[in-house]
Amino acid sequence: GAGVSQSPSNKVTEKGKDVELRCDPISGHTALYWYRQSLGQGLEFLIYFQGNSAPDKSGLPSDRFSAERTGGSVSTLTIQRTQQEDSAVYLCASSLDPAGGPIQYFGAGTRLSVL
Amino acid sequence: EDKVVQSPLSLVVHEGDTVTLNCSYEVTNFRSLLWYKQEKKAPTFLFMLTSSGIEKKSGRLSSILDKKELFSILNITATQTGDSAVYLCAVAPGGATNKLIFGTGTLLAVQP
Repeated sequence: GAGVSQSPSNKVTEKGKDVELRCDPISGHTALYWYRQSLGQGLEFLIYFQGNSAPDKSGLPSDRFSAERTGGSVSTLTIQRTQQEDSAVYLCASSLDPAGGPIQYFGAGTRLSVL
Repeated sequence: EDKVVQSPLSLVVHEGDTVTLNCSYEVTNFRSLLWYKQEKKAPTFLFMLTSSGIEKKSGRLSSILDKKELFSILNITATQTGDSAVYLCAVAPGGATNKLIFGTGTLLAVQP
């Protein structure tokens, strides 16, 4: 596609429920990133996928968070048993192969509200 | 611990003013520094700087990097209301992951 696409744009859920957030990267981009932006905070790295390599999960805040990337394209971020502190904007970004440079292109994000 | 610090946290100016946004960083490895503009949700790329002393310019926006003093500035001249946004500074450390380390951003409000 022309840009990074994320869905849904907004998600309201109840504490304890599971949620799935979707990211469709720019066509041809092999690297995909998830970040979290809490109110008044900078973007916080969560997870990185590159091609068929094992993902870098070092930024995931707890084992309630997981992500997968199927077929080297679309990615899903799953948060199990959501808590109120999970409320944030979840941003996805993609880039060319890292050897091509670090510029990342972002989607519009999913605003998650946990009640 | 790698970190990026931006100042000021927020800024209110009038149309036509010139503003300077600051970004300092501490990282164990440095590859590049990037500036993004975030108006609603999606940060949009502005500049990438890798070498000291070379100004990047796009219209009324310009940026420069000082790798000795570990900082960068973003200048906006003749500000317009459309420049109102959060400006994010990020550093790309060397390494396999290429994750970006972001500052908390500067909120710029340009009043008519």
